[in-house]
Amino acid sequence: QVQLQESGPGLMKPSETLSLACTVSGGSISPYFWSWIRQPPGKGLEFIGYIFYSGSTNYNPSLQSRVTISIDTAKNQVSLKLSSVTAADTAVYFCARTSGHYFDSWGQGTLVTVSS
Amino acid sequence: EIVMTQSPTTLSVSPGERATLSCRASQSVNSNLAWYQQKPGQAPRLLIHGASTRATGIPARFSGSGSGTEFTLTISSLQSEDFAVYYCQQYNYWPSYTFGQGTKLEIK
Repeated sequence: QVQLQESGPGLMKPSETLSLACTVSGGSISPYFWSWIRQPPGKGLEFIGYIFYSGSTNYNPSLQSRVTISIDTAKNQVSLKLSSVTAADTAVYFCARTSGHYFDSWGQGTLVTVSS
Repeated sequence: EIVMTQSPTTLSVSPGERATLSCRASQSVNSNLAWYQQKPGQAPRLLIHGASTRATGIPARFSGSGSGTEFTLTISSLQSEDFAVYYCQQYNYWPSYTFGQGTKLEIK
């Protein structure tokens, strides 16, 4: 069974660039899409963007100017970069395998707090 | 953007009873709707896709119905482990996936 594990810094300062990695194990990174989704504390889910195993991407228009998602098939790893973070970017960030446009496997999530 | 509205915000039901959760889309999403369950401190878990198809390993007490703009998740006989927050998600207008705000199912 596929497993996903997010990793990255838990605390950041405003204006910095958030960098997270998602390592996929127990399954192939192809032929799936891989998504990032976030959840502010006590709130609902927001789709950030996805990447296909071939490298094509799509992003939420509300975040598009600040988001970059990349993939390293050799390392079975998907990465997220979010630039110019503010307190509004404080959230648990999940990576998820995307099959048929729904999210069928999720990582446990990693909390990122943006504070000066 | 397609807005997904879930009702009620909180639902109180006794164990063993039936729970019915609703999700409404601001435009038709055909049958391109998924349901997820999220427990505190955990990631969401896929329950239903295609509005009515149970995901692998999901018990038969979970069922989904609806199409177009109105959808329902029914849990036929609530078990203690079913008390959680439930989210719907449309994927008809991919890649602009959107989620509902969630329904908290609590023990009565």
